[in-house]
Amino acid sequence: GQQVMQIPQYQHVQEGEDFTTYCNSSTTLSNIQWYKQRPGGHPVFLIQLVKSGEVKKQKRLTFQFGEAKKNSSLHITATQTTDVGTYFCAGPAGAGSYQLTFGKGTKLSVIP
Amino acid sequence: EPEVTQTPSHQVTQMGQEVILRCVPISNHLYFYWYRQILGQKVEFLVSFYNNEISEKSEIFDDQFSVERPDGSNFTLKIRSTKLEDSAMYFCASSRRAGGLGGELFFGEGSRLTVL
Repeated sequence: GQQVMQIPQYQHVQEGEDFTTYCNSSTTLSNIQWYKQRPGGHPVFLIQLVKSGEVKKQKRLTFQFGEAKKNSSLHITATQTTDVGTYFCAGPAGAGSYQLTFGKGTKLSVIP
Repeated sequence: EPEVTQTPSHQVTQMGQEVILRCVPISNHLYFYWYRQILGQKVEFLVSFYNNEISEKSEIFDDQFSVERPDGSNFTLKIRSTKLEDSAMYFCASSRRAGGLGGELFFGEGSRLTVL
């Protein structure tokens, strides 16, 4: 099935620095979703992107979907300790699939 | 706010034993899923369930695994004969629309399975 590749695997930042995680697929995605998992927690939905070139913002978080709908990014401005966790992108396993396939995630650590 | 609930939160079992993990999805959701996450690793799809039958399953979901929605509210995952490598956090999720078709997945807090 379709796979989404995510980089980097880990990122350590000083509080106040920016953070970006990238997600890539070898095939076009009909949509992409982003989830956050706090340490010891469960994945929580953040956002869904559907349109080519789409950009959505949630406070300090900016999500982008590439023009070719094969890549996506999540950028956090001025990280805070509350941003700590693993950020996963997730896309359909294949055309028409019910299944959501998760990337390996980027684990963000924020040093106060 | 409605949420997905899972029991037990932690189960310890001996290799070869049967385990049943239980989930109560959000009541107006139509699609149900089991995912698992081995410590520190990715969230792996096991199975999706819609309209009282399995809609998709992964290679991990072999004959040792089964799912059931016995009474219209519970959604269970059974592992018939557990192996050491089944040790993981098992997440149940539900959604109004299929996740692959853009539906937002709501996850439970997970059931940690430890096989000794």
